[in-house]
Amino acid sequence: EVQLVQSGAEVKKPGESLKISCKGSGYSFTSYWIGWVRQMPGKGLEWMGIIYPGDSDTRYSPSFQGQVTISADKSISTAYLQWSSLKASDTAMYYCVRQGTYYDILTGYHKIDYWGQGTLVTVSS
Amino acid sequence: QAVLTQPASLSASPGASASLTCTLRSGINVGTYRIYWYQQKPGSPPQYLLRYKSDSDKQQGSGVPSRFSGSKDASANAGILLISGLQSEDEADYYCMIWHSSASVFGGGTKLTVL
Repeated sequence: EVQLVQSGAEVKKPGESLKISCKGSGYSFTSYWIGWVRQMPGKGLEWMGIIYPGDSDTRYSPSFQGQVTISADKSISTAYLQWSSLKASDTAMYYCVRQGTYYDILTGYHKIDYWGQGTLVTVSS
Repeated sequence: QAVLTQPASLSASPGASASLTCTLRSGINVGTYRIYWYQQKPGSPPQYLLRYKSDSDKQQGSGVPSRFSGSKDASANAGILLISGLQSEDEADYYCMIWHSSASVFGGGTKLTVL
């Protein structure tokens, strides 16, 4: 059974750094793109970016490029989303997602088929 | 202008059909895109419903009832999620998504109320 299990809720102050995680299991972690989707309180879904753990190829949404860092440690089947300096506007639910094989993306198939349970990040002074 | 535009809300009666639209920005041709649809209920992550590009290029999500189907309206440059035989459990937020300029993009979502 495919599972994406995310780290727990975080409460941080503006200016602090943060790294949240997502552990994949039940499939070949290095063979699928894995990424992050943001959902601000009461708002819609925003695709942030994905990484291919097999070779660390990473794609970012222009809206999030330079604002966050997506990484992965294939030895422990875990992906990460990192901020160096949080802002109050980073307060949101963050979902880890699986988004197809390398071949899928290459040939135009971009289905997000699995979602993590979400990690709530609250940034407040 | 947003890449994908969805009406914020839609209401329909049980047993009726609901047509949820996802309009692509002018200059982006709906015919060339695979459109993915997701359903999100309060307090839960979204779930994949289906993919639609054409009648020969479509996919139903695993376990998703055939009451959910996709189509396009080329004249409106829009993708459509049709839900027939509405049930109370269909009340949820629905999001469309495409892959555009090397990134996924979501529509703003439609809140479907079944009353």
